[in-house]
Amino acid sequence: DAKTTQPTSMDCAEGRAANLPCNHSTISGNEYVYWYRQIHSQGPQYIIHGLKNNETNEMASLIITEDRKSSTLILPHATLRDTAVYYCIVRAASYNQGGKLIFGQGTELSVKP
Amino acid sequence: DGGITQSPKYLFRKEGQNVTLSCEQNLNHDAMYWYRQDPGQGLRLIYYSQIVNDFQKGDIAEGYSVSREKKESFPLTVTSAQKNPTAFYLCASGERGYLDTEAFFGQGTRLTVV
Repeated sequence: DAKTTQPTSMDCAEGRAANLPCNHSTISGNEYVYWYRQIHSQGPQYIIHGLKNNETNEMASLIITEDRKSSTLILPHATLRDTAVYYCIVRAASYNQGGKLIFGQGTELSVKP
Repeated sequence: DGGITQSPKYLFRKEGQNVTLSCEQNLNHDAMYWYRQDPGQGLRLIYYSQIVNDFQKGDIAEGYSVSREKKESFPLTVTSAQKNPTAFYLCASGERGYLDTEAFFGQGTRLTVV
């Protein structure tokens, strides 16, 4: 399984865009990049995922580099409720591995007023 | 509402006792997963199951056992052999083999062994 590297923590001003980077230099061609976030003492919440193309949904945008070795999660207008730990995950590609998610340490994002 | 339910939210047990954590989903997912989280750490995979009556060990299976007798249920037993059982336990479910769909998590069970 590919491993991911994320900064331990980041700050962002309320109302500004939060850009969370992730390195996954050993990612395989058919492995997806997933982002989840976890607010303290709750279960992780799905944000977005992608394979090659950039993706956008109502929560965030995901920008994946052309070589797929890194990606950036963008929260366009961060609010205080976006304060959480954000996990970048590369999902196991093998059918027989059951699609398990391998979590790293994540980035603790603090949105400040 | 469709979702994944873990119970209880908080659980206290005496050292040396086995304890079973419940995980139920009504999303019709084939795959289910158990994770453990320690303070300030990421999630680590304990066991996962892709289909009824089948399951595989994750990265930290020692001291734990599971069963998958029904599609909607994947209970985790923390045995007395688990040396440090106090932790936050999270259950998840997802579509088997469909890597472009998300996995859904329950709200977790916080186990404290005294």
